[in-house]
Amino acid sequence: DSGVTQTPKHLITATGQRVTLRCSPRSGDLSVYWYQQSLDQGLQFLIQYYNGEERAKGNILERFSAQQFPDLHSELNLSSLELGDSALYFCASSVGPIRTDTQYFGPGTRLTVL
Amino acid sequence: GENVEQHPSTLSVQEGDSAVIKCTYSDSASNYFPWYKQELGKRPQLIIDIRSNVGEKKDQRIAVTLNKTAKHFSLHITETQPEDSAVYFCAASSLVLLGNEKLTFGTGTRLTIIP
Repeated sequence: DSGVTQTPKHLITATGQRVTLRCSPRSGDLSVYWYQQSLDQGLQFLIQYYNGEERAKGNILERFSAQQFPDLHSELNLSSLELGDSALYFCASSVGPIRTDTQYFGPGTRLTVL
Repeated sequence: GENVEQHPSTLSVQEGDSAVIKCTYSDSASNYFPWYKQELGKRPQLIIDIRSNVGEKKDQRIAVTLNKTAKHFSLHITETQPEDSAVYFCAASSLVLLGNEKLTFGTGTRLTIIP
């Protein structure tokens, strides 16, 4: 167990809908990262937050947004869902703001868009 | 931006033999290279990492080597066991400009250990 928690574990929804994924980082970690992993694909970096503020953006669609709250948990919002958004969504956390800090992954949320 | 290539995409090894997975990267400023193991349906887990000030790091049956001149790094697993079967991802990260750092992952290697 990495200490990073994610909810829900599974999510099934329809095209056009909006969902929110939640992540709580390890105790003491200030950075949260979001990744998307499609079937048989690698990990695509979406976005990073550090201590409540957006730190870096990767390949995140405009339909997706995220935020980090004062208690450091983070939410990833996915809207106008399409079939191709079906994937595993991981969050990871690290102590500091830089990507060379070790990242610990949560168990992931499996999103299925029907 | 950084580009990380990983080979092979699949690897089958007899139990007890060694497995080697190789990655190349494009950004000469990269200075941190972690390896993650992902079992089916589970989270990626860090198994070993290396920073650019060392050329080799070992942890029991796992070792990573780094060649900064050639811009490649490799994962070596010796005395493989069935529980080593998983997908392995390499990654490279560089500390360049504030907000412009990036941890880029390779496409993964599916390792199967044959009993």
